[in-house]
Amino acid sequence: QKEVEQNSGPLSVPEGAIASLNCTYSDRVSQSFFWYRQYSGKSPELIMSIYSNGDKEDGRFTAQLNKASQYVSLLIRDSQPSDSATYLCALRGTDSWGKLQFGAGTQVVVTP
Amino acid sequence: EPEVTQTPSHQVTQMGQEVILRCVPISNHLYFYWYRQILGQKVEFLVSFYNNEISEKSEIFDDQFSVERPDGSNFTLKIRSTKLEDSAMYFCASSEARSSGRTDTQYFGPGTRLTVL
Repeated sequence: QKEVEQNSGPLSVPEGAIASLNCTYSDRVSQSFFWYRQYSGKSPELIMSIYSNGDKEDGRFTAQLNKASQYVSLLIRDSQPSDSATYLCALRGTDSWGKLQFGAGTQVVVTP
Repeated sequence: EPEVTQTPSHQVTQMGQEVILRCVPISNHLYFYWYRQILGQKVEFLVSFYNNEISEKSEIFDDQFSVERPDGSNFTLKIRSTKLEDSAMYFCASSEARSSGRTDTQYFGPGTRLTVL
């Protein structure tokens, strides 16, 4: 069974600080990696996609991918109360017709 | 900004009844998906659809489920005889393509909350 693992949290982060979220996966041939944000009762909303090893920055968000170690991480800089949500790691394997496999998500709580 | 839309937002049905959940994917997208999320659990893949046929399905997607693109815009999920355990949030998603790169990003609709009594 291919797995995507995340710490469930909650991860409590003071406003203005950096939130660091990690995700590990077991399918070594996974190709596409995504971070989604999900507010309670709402649908997943794309934050970042990453395909190559290294860092990718978009505004306050930085995704990091290390395929050799099979992990992908997300940093949220200058955390705001509006960042309080569950962050979902998702990946697509090479043998997939687009199927995304999701982790259970990490709940982030940004405290003022 | 184009978006995926879904109707209804909430559907309540009796066990054994048929339900049809509707989705309008983003207009230039070619790949369509259904996922579900039982309360408090992971988002789970159900099915992917391309070129008017199912391209991949999960173990959850048994004979009680079917998908259809009845016209050029709608994409539907039918559950023939609902069970209590079908109660979940159902999300439709679409992408331009399935290969790596910006085009395989899946955009999710707001979801339909299905409650089976």
